[in-house]
Amino acid sequence: NAGVMQNPRHLVRRRGQEARLRCSPMKGHSHVYWYRQLPEEGLKFMVYLQKENIIDESGMPKERFSAEFPKEGPSILRIQQVVRGDSAAYFCASSLGQGGEKLFFGSGTQLSVL
Amino acid sequence: EDQVTQSPEALRLQEGESSSLNCSYTVSGLRGLFWYRQDPGKGPEFLFTLYSAGEEKEKERLKATLTKKESFLHITAPKPEDSATYLCAVQRIQGAQKLVFGQGTRLTINP
Repeated sequence: NAGVMQNPRHLVRRRGQEARLRCSPMKGHSHVYWYRQLPEEGLKFMVYLQKENIIDESGMPKERFSAEFPKEGPSILRIQQVVRGDSAAYFCASSLGQGGEKLFFGSGTQLSVL
Repeated sequence: EDQVTQSPEALRLQEGESSSLNCSYTVSGLRGLFWYRQDPGKGPEFLFTLYSAGEEKEKERLKATLTKKESFLHITAPKPEDSATYLCAVQRIQGAQKLVFGQGTRLTINP
């Protein structure tokens, strides 16, 4: 049973470029969450998606960030025109149901912006 | 605003030396409190969920307890493989899809 798969593990971008982070949830899971972990800070919620729907994006920065979870394929977190402050570890998690269900996390994507 | 504070930030113990990690929280309507373990370069791994004051859960050398204001993770006779960062998170009744995490306690067990 494959767990939550994230790729790439490491992503280097120059300021102004776009970053695309991918997440395939555990088999049978239809709920996906993205969290960001900045250096010396705790995990911060960004967005919660179900297939083809954004349910809660209250933790997403208002500009440059977007997320999708299409009917087919992985969930994508997209960061346009990256800045140095976007450097962080981005974790995806999935759950079988919503609310009260334990989350299964991927190993994360470490984004470095030069 | 929901807040989770973990202490200490870092803890070094000798193998076999028992101790406790603390998680203090402020949340409007607690649905659940979660403990996760995170190893370097990995994502958090689920340990426990606690739902009501007085509840306790155990797994091997770990025991988690919950009061109305805080949770403790007790580690009994730890081994080097218990070294990791332990994260506490709260989930509120409204907006239950998101977890609010503390900054974690980095635990090191020396052989």
